[in-house]
Order: sequence, then structure tokens, then C-alpha cells
Amino acid sequence: NAGVTQTPKFRILKIGQSMTLQCTQDMNHNYMYWYRQDPGMGLKLIYYSVGAGITDKGEVPNGYNVSRSTTEDFPLRLELAAPSQTSVYFCASLTSGSYEQYFGPGTRLTVT
Amino acid sequence: AQSVTQPDIHITVSEGASLELRCNYSYGATPYLFWYVQSPGQGLQLLLKYFSGDTLVQGIKGFEAEFKRSQSSFNLRKPSVHWSDAAEYFCAVGEKGGGNKLTFGTGTQLKVEL
Repeated sequence: NAGVTQTPKFRILKIGQSMTLQCTQDMNHNYMYWYRQDPGMGLKLIYYSVGAGITDKGEVPNGYNVSRSTTEDFPLRLELAAPSQTSVYFCASLTSGSYEQYFGPGTRLTVT
Repeated sequence: AQSVTQPDIHITVSEGASLELRCNYSYGATPYLFWYVQSPGQGLQLLLKYFSGDTLVQGIKGFEAEFKRSQSSFNLRKPSVHWSDAAEYFCAVGEKGGGNKLTFGTGTQLKVEL
């Protein structure tokens, strides 16, 4: 099992550009999550999904979109990148009946 | 809404000394509680978790934590710190049901002096 994988590891975007952060898990987990981590702020939930075709907003969803067409994949889309979206992004997954989230290695994004 | 407070932003201890990292939570019922560790440039690794039962829980790397309902606390402890324990530590409270979401504290940065 590779667990939760994220690509890319690093990315620099110009203001106004768009990109998709990829997240894939091979554990057949129903639940998936996207967090952002800013220095001194802990992790904040952006979006989450309780299964394929179902997504919902977290605490800080503005400027982001997600989709969940398969159990394995949960991509995060930034449409118009802004400097405030400079952060480290983590994807996580969890299986029904458990409450332990498994985290990917993160994507470090800089918007300049 | 649930919340987590980690009052210590930075802590420095000498190698071999004992460690306690504080965590206070706010949640309407019996919470699910977690401690995660993050080494520089890495993802989050689960140290230990509390769901129910024995209020003293053991984790990996020699860490333990005690759930105290009366104090709404879940402090992390280690009897003897190793230099490799230097990292950032996050406490989190888990929502039961719904999306099983986690709410994280702001983290405590641990520095270990040799």
C-alpha cells in the first residue's frame, strides 16, 4: 500500500494562474479531506468528502473547488491563484468505522 | 463548535529531561482526541489517540497522554526526551459522525538541547 499520495511536492504559481493538486489513496477509504497549513495556524480544513460524488465545505473553502468522481481520487482545484493561497496543503483519508486520518506528505505551494 | 488550544507555542527541553505538552479542548460530548507529530518538511504522523476507556493512552516512540474530562485536557508526556523528538506537535479533536472532521490546535514546536 502506498497510502495517501500527493502530487506535486512543490509548485510555484503566478497570481491568477490555476492548478490542480492531486490526491490519491489506495486504502479504499470512504472519507477524504483537504487541509492547508500556515505557520502558527495549525491545519485548517478546506473541503472534505464522505464518498464518491459527495463533497462539502470545511472551514476555509473560498478560492478552492473539489470533485470526487472515484473513491481513490480527490483533486483540489485553485482557479485564480492569490498570494493568500501560499501554504502547505495536506490530503488525508479515513475509513468508515475508524476515526484515524491518514495523511499524505503534502504539497508546498507558493503564489507570487 | 469544537476547538483546541495548545497554549505553548515553543518549548525547549534538555535531552533526557521529561516533557509535557499541554492541550485543552472544547467539545459538547466525550471527544475523540489525537496527538500528531510533524518533522520538518514532512507530513503528519499519528502518535496516539483516545476514543474511550482507559484515560491514560500509550503511543509510539514512548509517548503517552492522559484524558482528563474535568479539566478538558489531553496532555502529552514523555519521561525522557531524545534529540530526535524535536518536531512540531499537534493536538486534535475529532467530530463524531457527519464528516468525522478533525479540528487542530496551532501546534507546539519542541526544541531539544543536547
